[in-house]
Amino acid sequence: DAGVIQSPRHEVTEMGQEVTLRCKPISGHDYLFWYRQTMMRGLELLIYFNNNVPIDDSGMPEDRFSAKMPNASFSTLKIQPSEPRDSAVYFCASSPERRSNTGELFFGEGSRLTVL
Amino acid sequence: LAKTTQPISMDSYEGQEVNITCSHNNIATNDYITWYQQFPSQGPRFIIQGYKTKVTNEVASLFIPADRKSSTLSLPRVSLSDTAVYYCLVGDMTTDSWGKLQFGAGTQVVVTP
Repeated sequence: DAGVIQSPRHEVTEMGQEVTLRCKPISGHDYLFWYRQTMMRGLELLIYFNNNVPIDDSGMPEDRFSAKMPNASFSTLKIQPSEPRDSAVYFCASSPERRSNTGELFFGEGSRLTVL
Repeated sequence: LAKTTQPISMDSYEGQEVNITCSHNNIATNDYITWYQQFPSQGPRFIIQGYKTKVTNEVASLFIPADRKSSTLSLPRVSLSDTAVYYCLVGDMTTDSWGKLQFGAGTQVVVTP
């Protein structure tokens, strides 16, 4: 398997623009997570899905952020409008159905977002 | 969710054993202890997980005392490529809330020749 695939790897945009980050989880994994990493705040959980259904979005910073999972093989994280403080590395991770695993998270390589 | 405390950084030389201790005083009965490793510009990678006593795999060992209020990740004979940030996570893997496990600040391990 190719692992978790994220795109774009790098994104530079201007304040006020819409940003869409994409994630393809590992095939067969039931859980999908979005994390954000900054020097100041470390690695923060934004939202996670189980079987395409959002389970917990309490980490989503504000209404400018939204995440969707229209099917088992694709998820998006959208920021509209973007602000400089959104600059960070955004990671997507997936995990198999819980009963058959230890809860191991498989991370993608991340999308580095810079908002000017 | 149990709060964890681990050193901010540790330095070591190649070939030495590195032990990183994580404190989790309010660990609950159903909580497991999981460690991840993160290299620069990469996502974290699962290293090891345990509940009690000792767990060993090809990468590391995890020592958990009887009271489970702390755990120690042991990296034997480190090399330069072991330079990374190591995260300790504690949480209940048996309920639906397992997905809310939070990564703390981690421990930056720097291995030098």
